[in-house]
Order: sequence, then structure tokens, then C-alpha cells
Amino acid sequence: NAGVTQTPKFQVLKTGQSMTLQCAQDMNHEYMSWYRQDPGMGLRLIHYSVGAGITDQGEVPNGYNVSRSTTEDFPLRLLSAAPSQTSVYFCASSYSGGHAEKLFFGSGTQLSVL
Amino acid sequence: QQPVQSPQAVILREGEDAVINCSSSKALYSVHWYRQKHGEAPVFLMILLKGGEQKGHDKISASFNEKKQQSSLYLTASQLSYSGTYFCGTEWGNEKLTFGTGTRLTIIP
Repeated sequence: NAGVTQTPKFQVLKTGQSMTLQCAQDMNHEYMSWYRQDPGMGLRLIHYSVGAGITDQGEVPNGYNVSRSTTEDFPLRLLSAAPSQTSVYFCASSYSGGHAEKLFFGSGTQLSVL
Repeated sequence: QQPVQSPQAVILREGEDAVINCSSSKALYSVHWYRQKHGEAPVFLMILLKGGEQKGHDKISASFNEKKQQSSLYLTASQLSYSGTYFCGTEWGNEKLTFGTGTRLTIIP
């Protein structure tokens, strides 16, 4: 049982480049989300989805796009990377997203934008 | 708006107790607690739902005071394995889990 799988684990980009961080879960979870983690800032919600075809913004959505075409996958797109997007990115999922559901986190993607 | 955690960091000797607090400026539906080891993903500890309940998990327990909009995590007789950063996450009925900035706990032998 793989749980939540994120790829790649590490990535270096140049300013202005685009890329997609992949996230897949095999637990049939309806709720998926993306967080970024910066020193001293904790985990900040970027975007989330309560089911296929439904996405919404979190606290820090600017510069990021998401889509949810299947229950299993929730990719995060950086259209034009900026140094301020250097961070560790975590994908997380839960069964339904309700307030009583625990989150399962992926192992993270460390992104550096030069 | 992120919940406020205190203290930001604490150093304990093995066997000592610790309390980590989490406060929200808005009414809470639930509070989540997670622990993150360095270089790893956060791992779920427990969820408390509104209703003022207290939950336990081995020697780690937590309380949730709905009126005060705050939760506390209690670690008793701390072990070396308890080291890490603890995050509270608050949910206000909108399906968004918002995390605090974390409390770094260091346990020394």
C-alpha cells in the first residue's frame, strides 16, 4: 500500500521555468491538498480539492494552479517559477476532508528556484 | 489566519513533561495535532472535535477548550522519540486545515 506518493523528491528550477509536482494516492480519498513549508512559517495551504473536478484556493494560492481530473491524482503546477517559491511542498489526502478526518502526507518535494 | 502556538521551542530532559498550546482567533470545529521529524513528513497524532473533549495517545494527550478557542498537547514522561516539531491544525467548518508555525521539542538524555 503506497499511500500518498509525490514526485520528484528534489527539483531545481531557473526563474521563469514551469513545472508540475505530481501527487497520487491509492487510498480512494476524496480530499487532497497541497501545502508548502518554509522555515518559521509552518505548513501553509496552497490549494485543495474535495473530489474529482472540484478545487479551491487555500491561504497562498498565487503562482500555483491545480486540477483534479481523477480521484487519485492532484498535480500542482508552477507556471513561471520565482525564487519566492523555493520551499518544501507536501501533498496530503484524507477520506472525506471533514473536520474529523486525519491527513496522510506524502514524503515531500524540495524545490529550489534560482 | 494561522493559529498561534506556544512555546516556539522547548528543551526537556528525558522523563520530563511538556505542554504545547494552540490558540485560535476564530471558533473551532476541530483541532488536529501532528508531529514532524526532521526531513520527514508530518505524522498524525490525534484530532479533537468541538465539545471540549480530551483524548489520549500513549503518554501524549490533548484537551480542547471550545469556549477559549484553544487546545493543549500534553507530553508526559518524555522519551527521546518524542523529539520533533509539533503542529496544531485548526478547522473552522470550511474543510481547510490551517496549521500553526510549530513548536520544536528537543529531548536530551
